[in-house]
Amino acid sequence: AQSVTQPDIHITVSEGASLELRCNYSYGATPYLFWYVQSPGQGLQLLLKYFSGDTLVQGIKGFEAEFKRSQSSFNLRKPSVHWSDAAEYFCAVGDSNYQLIWGAGTKLIIKP
Amino acid sequence: DVKVTQSSRYLVKRTGEKVFLECVQDMDHENMFWYRQDPGLGLRLIYFSYDVKMKEKGDIPEGYSVSREKKERFSLILESASTNQTSMYLCASSLPGGLYQPQHFGDGTRLSIL
Repeated sequence: AQSVTQPDIHITVSEGASLELRCNYSYGATPYLFWYVQSPGQGLQLLLKYFSGDTLVQGIKGFEAEFKRSQSSFNLRKPSVHWSDAAEYFCAVGDSNYQLIWGAGTKLIIKP
Repeated sequence: DVKVTQSSRYLVKRTGEKVFLECVQDMDHENMFWYRQDPGLGLRLIYFSYDVKMKEKGDIPEGYSVSREKKERFSLILESASTNQTSMYLCASSLPGGLYQPQHFGDGTRLSIL
């Protein structure tokens, strides 16, 4: 069965430092992969998605993610975080029924 | 801009009550979704609808039903609320096109069942 694992429940990063959030998936075919962000008290917003082609995808707010088939990973990165990036981040994979299977989320805490 | 509005941000109900959660979107989207969000579990799909009066069960439909009488409105109904239905509920909508279309989310309804 398809699944998504986000190994880190919380991550704390200093403002201005680089960020990498991990996501591993289990899926038999070529996956459709997504990262969403949920700011406090708000719904989710799509950051970026991967369907095919270039394995490095650019998203909004300066985020990027790299699809690595050999590692079944789709890690999210940002070179320099801002205090406004404090939020919860969700990785998701599209399944064969065109629905999303979600990871448990990683809460990003920014230290001043 | 895309707008998905959930009628209540916070709701407190009692065990056994019939509870209605309302969601309205102004984007003329065909697809609408109801998710439940619990800490450590991510989002789990309860029901979705791809057209008026159409509905499909998601992963955890037990104890819930839905109604979609108009394209812009998708209601989630807890037939007889129980304490294990205390959760954050998120509504989303999207255009048809499967996963190629992003889902747009409301701000959520935090429901407490006492």
